[in-house]
Amino acid sequence: KAGVTQTPRYLIKTRGQQVTLSCSPISGHRSVSWYQQTPGQGLQFLFEYFSETQRNKGNFPGRFSGRQFSNSRSEMNVSTLELGDSALYLCASSVLAGPPLHFGNGTRLTVT
Amino acid sequence: AQTVTQSQPEMSVQEAETVTLSCTYDTSESDYYLFWYKQPPSRQMILVIRQEAYKQQNATENRFSVNFQKAAKSFSLKISDSQLGDAAMYFCAYRSATSGGSNYKLTFGKGTLLTVNP
Repeated sequence: KAGVTQTPRYLIKTRGQQVTLSCSPISGHRSVSWYQQTPGQGLQFLFEYFSETQRNKGNFPGRFSGRQFSNSRSEMNVSTLELGDSALYLCASSVLAGPPLHFGNGTRLTVT
Repeated sequence: AQTVTQSQPEMSVQEAETVTLSCTYDTSESDYYLFWYKQPPSRQMILVIRQEAYKQQNATENRFSVNFQKAAKSFSLKISDSQLGDAAMYFCAYRSATSGGSNYKLTFGKGTLLTVNP
């Protein structure tokens, strides 16, 4: 069974640009959650989707958004990028409403 | 709000020896999950072990075991017979077992960097 797949693995963007990250969960998993990891703030919850509905969102500005498609794949979007958005973005999936047990390899975003 | 504290930023252990990583948490809930995740340089977060708060028995997965003290809100990870491949950042995490609202998230500690010396 394929694991959680995140694309791309690396991204370099300029301040002010926008970026879209993709996450394909394990087959059959309907819950997808996103986390931001930085050296200063550690791992912080961004949002969680289940069956195309956002069930919870973390304490991030409105520039951070996401969505989930009918096949459970999820995307997150960051608009008007700032230097502080440089981070590793991790996606996790789980069956039904359970806690996230499987993470992807992450997308490393660098904003210059 | 729940908080998770890992008081040891770094730990080291000799290969084949045993090491214990500490984690404490704060919550007013009675039903929740606790996890230990491992993050090697490859960046992928790997689930090491999980514990449901309603279970009194400590979880064990091969060389990994936990000491769950619910009253003390303590959840330590013991790694026995340490191997070079155990070297990684270890994160303790909390998740409510109650469905709804803000409960669908993991709250992580800051992590403990484990070095395994040959």
